[in-house]
Amino acid sequence: NAGVTQTPKFRVLKTGQSMTLLCAQDMNHEYMYWYRQDPGMGLRLIHYSVGEGTTAKGEVPDGYNVSRLKKQNFLLGLESAAPSQTSVYFCASRDSSGNTIYFGEGSWLTVV
Amino acid sequence: GQQVMQIPQYQHVQEGEDFTTYCNSSTTLSNIQWYKQRPGGHPVFLIQLVKSGEVKKQKRLTFQFGEAKKNSSLHITATQTTDVGTYFCAGRGDTGRRALTFGSGTRLQVQP
Repeated sequence: NAGVTQTPKFRVLKTGQSMTLLCAQDMNHEYMYWYRQDPGMGLRLIHYSVGEGTTAKGEVPDGYNVSRLKKQNFLLGLESAAPSQTSVYFCASRDSSGNTIYFGEGSWLTVV
Repeated sequence: GQQVMQIPQYQHVQEGEDFTTYCNSSTTLSNIQWYKQRPGGHPVFLIQLVKSGEVKKQKRLTFQFGEAKKNSSLHITATQTTDVGTYFCAGRGDTGRRALTFGSGTRLQVQP
């Protein structure tokens, strides 16, 4: 059972570079989320999606873009990385009737 | 916007002692969830509370949802070293927003 898979797990970027984090879930879930986790600040919602082809802004969307072209995938893009985007990024998903949110194992991103 | 505050930020206990973490929301919640994150790991769903005044138990863990549905607590009786980790509460507002707002977490360290 793969569940929620994130790639890459680790990445170092230079300021100004762009990259995409990929999240894939094999549970046929409708809802998908991208969170970032910083020390002492819990998990903050960046963007989320309630279904294929839809996206919405969360608490901290600036500097990020997302796409949900396929139901199983949710991509998080950084167009021009900044040191403030150094963080651990978690993708998560749940189905429309369920309560449980399933998290991926995280992607550690460092911007230098 | 909705804010969820959690205290304490950190607690260090001797094995066998009890532990409690508290969660307070700035707005009324439709439900509250609790997650555990082991060091270096990802958040894992523990439980959801929905009803005012609800109390649920999972072995040594007791979860409570306040009467006003704005606060919650997690109590661990007789902690063990396997309880080490960060405990997060996460609330969903009653305005229909589909995403959770996470508290900043309480990091528990258990001394054997």
